[in-house]
Parts: sequence; C-alpha cells; structure tokens
Amino acid sequence: VMTQSPLSLPVTLGQPASISCSSSQSLVYTDGNTYLSWFQQRPGQSPRRLIYNVSNWASGVPDRFSGSGSGTDFTLRISRVEAEDVGVYYCMQGTHWPFTFGPGTKVDIK
Amino acid sequence: QVRLVQSGAEVKKPGSSVKVSCKASGVTFSTYAFFWVRQAPGHGLEWMGEIIPVYDTANYAQQFQGRVRITADKSTSTAYMELSSLTSEDTAMYYCARGAPSGRYYLCGEDCFDYWGQGTLVTVSS
Repeated sequence: VMTQSPLSLPVTLGQPASISCSSSQSLVYTDGNTYLSWFQQRPGQSPRRLIYNVSNWASGVPDRFSGSGSGTDFTLRISRVEAEDVGVYYCMQGTHWPFTFGPGTKVDIK
Repeated sequence: QVRLVQSGAEVKKPGSSVKVSCKASGVTFSTYAFFWVRQAPGHGLEWMGEIIPVYDTANYAQQFQGRVRITADKSTSTAYMELSSLTSEDTAMYYCARGAPSGRYYLCGEDCFDYWGQGTLVTVSS
C-alpha cells in the first residue's frame, strides 16, 4: 500500500514544496534497485513521469524537481514552484507486481 | 518518437461492454508490455492490467479479474482493453501506457510508464 502526505498542498510561487510517499513494504528489489517513480498530472492532461528509480529525471523534466529516499520512505521536492506545476502528483511502486500508485497530492497556488 | 493514440470517447449502457484501442508507433511493439490505467472522475490512478505481446500474455489486477480482457494485434501494433458488465462506477478515463521491457515486465523502472495515450473517456449511463 502506497500512502502520500499531504493530500493537498497549497504553495506560494517561487517557494519550495515537498511531498512524502511511504510504502508498506520495502521497495528495494533483489537487484539492488528501488523502483519508485513520481508522476505529474496537470488538469485535463495525461499523467507524465517525472522521476524513476527514486531520483532519476525522466526526459525533459526541469531540474527544479528532485526525488530522494530509500527503502519505504520517499520524497519529491520542487525547489521553486512555478505556475505550470499546478496539478496532482502521484508516487508509484514498480518493485512488487501488481504496480500500485499512491492516492495523489493536489498542488495548487495559494 | 513514441506515440500512443487511443480510440475516441464512448457512451455505454449499464450491462454492456466497451473495447478501447491503443495504437503504438515509434516503438518495436513486441519489445514492451503495454499497460491500462483507469481514473474515475476526481479520483487517482488505478493499474488495471497489462499485455505482453511477445508472449501473448495478459495479466490483470485482482479487482478487474473476470471482467477485463486485454489483447494485442502485433500486425497493427495495437493494444485493446475490453471491459464487460459495465456499471456507472466504470465511468472513467482509461489510459494506455508503455510498460516495462518484455523480458522484465514484472519490474517498472526506467523504460516504463514513460509514454501515455491521450486517454479515452468511457461514460456508462442509462
């Protein structure tokens, strides 16, 4: 089971933001990798992958997004929130089949 | 460039079935699994299942077992998701996405969920 906090995050433009994601079991696979990804879903759009394997940027993702964590606890950080960052953010575990998403964190501007 | 193009919106009666297609281009179709994800209005993302074309194998999330059938046509690089016995609770956006490489379809890392279709809205209403 994947959980996220907070579920709603009002942010100020230009300020940092942070979302936490926890798994009920370790996401470290026997090959040593941790298959935890983050997705952004802007209003009316398909989800877009931001981060894979905890901290690796997907193609085209701005470096103001960063991922960290290990084992069961993970964090997505936005260093300086921009208006285009409004949307819902999901973590997803890809270590244990079937893959599961967190409930999502809605980010909007204060 | 990888593209996944889904079929258009559907309106269905309760008790009927719907079949949604997802045509892939720019990718060797048999090299990857392809996923289907559901998103009910105002809700989060729910992984429904996958097709692994090279093995002609489909796997389903437990909550959809018995009601969903995912298939693929390798000749047209198209994946299909058919959902039966529809109720109003099946009203949702349905997305396809590129899954993991076929040889490691049970792990989702670098080459996984990196491309998504535009979504297909299925509305179930009497």
